[in-house]
Amino acid sequence: EVQLLESGGNLVQPGGSLRLSCAASGFTFSSFAMSWVRQAPGEGLEWVSVISSSGGGTYYADSVKGRFTISRDNSKNTLYLQMNSLRAEDAAVYFCAKDQSNRFFDYWGQGTLVTVSS
Amino acid sequence: QSALTQPRSVSGSPGQSVSISCTGTSSNVGGYNYVSWYQQHPGKAPKLMIYDVNKRPSGVPDRFSGSKSGNTASLTISGLQAEDEAGYYCCSYAGSSTKLFGGGTKLTVL
Repeated sequence: EVQLLESGGNLVQPGGSLRLSCAASGFTFSSFAMSWVRQAPGEGLEWVSVISSSGGGTYYADSVKGRFTISRDNSKNTLYLQMNSLRAEDAAVYFCAKDQSNRFFDYWGQGTLVTVSS
Repeated sequence: QSALTQPRSVSGSPGQSVSISCTGTSSNVGGYNYVSWYQQHPGKAPKLMIYDVNKRPSGVPDRFSGSKSGNTASLTISGLQAEDEAGYYCCSYAGSSTKLFGGGTKLTVL
C-alpha cells in the first residue's frame, strides 16, 4: 500500500524558513518523480514544485522560484521542501504527491499545515 | 500562469448527470492530453478520478468520465450519488515540467 506522510509544518514568522519532509513507502521511491502541491485555507490547489526520480531535475512555480528548494534522499525514501523567505501568502496545507511522468498525481499524502504570521 | 478556469459551483439531484468544465489555453489543456481530475472532500487529501483526459484509475466508478475539446476539458458525473458531493479540481501539464490546476468546483447534490 502506497503511503506518503508529510511532516514539518509549523507556525513561522514572515521572512523565516521551514523544511518539510515526506516519508514514502509502498512503492519504489527512486523510480518516480515527486511533487509538492499546496492549498491555502479555503482556496484551491496550487502546484509548487517537482523533482525527477534521480533528483537531477527540479522545477518550480513562479510564485516560489528562488525561495523554495525541492530535494530528495532516495536512500531514505524521503522528499523535502526547503522554504525560505516565507510570506503570508505561503500559508497553506502542503501535500506531497507521487507524480506520474508529469501526467498526473496518483497518490497524495494527508498534508502538513504551514502558518506564516508574526 | 493563471489558473485554469472552472465554474465555482454546480449542483444536481441524485440520479442526474452534471458536467464540470475546465478551460485553459493551447499552452496547457489544448496542447497536451495530460488533463487529470481530482475529488476532494473537506479536510481530506485529493483523490485521482480521471487521468490523461479520459482514463479512469482502478476503483473509480464508471459514472465518472472525462473528455476534451480544444482548450476545454470536461468531467461528467452520471447517476449522481450523495457521496459525490465534494470539490473537484482539474489539472493540466503546462510544459517545461510544470502543471496548472483549475480554481476548483464545489459539487452540491441536492
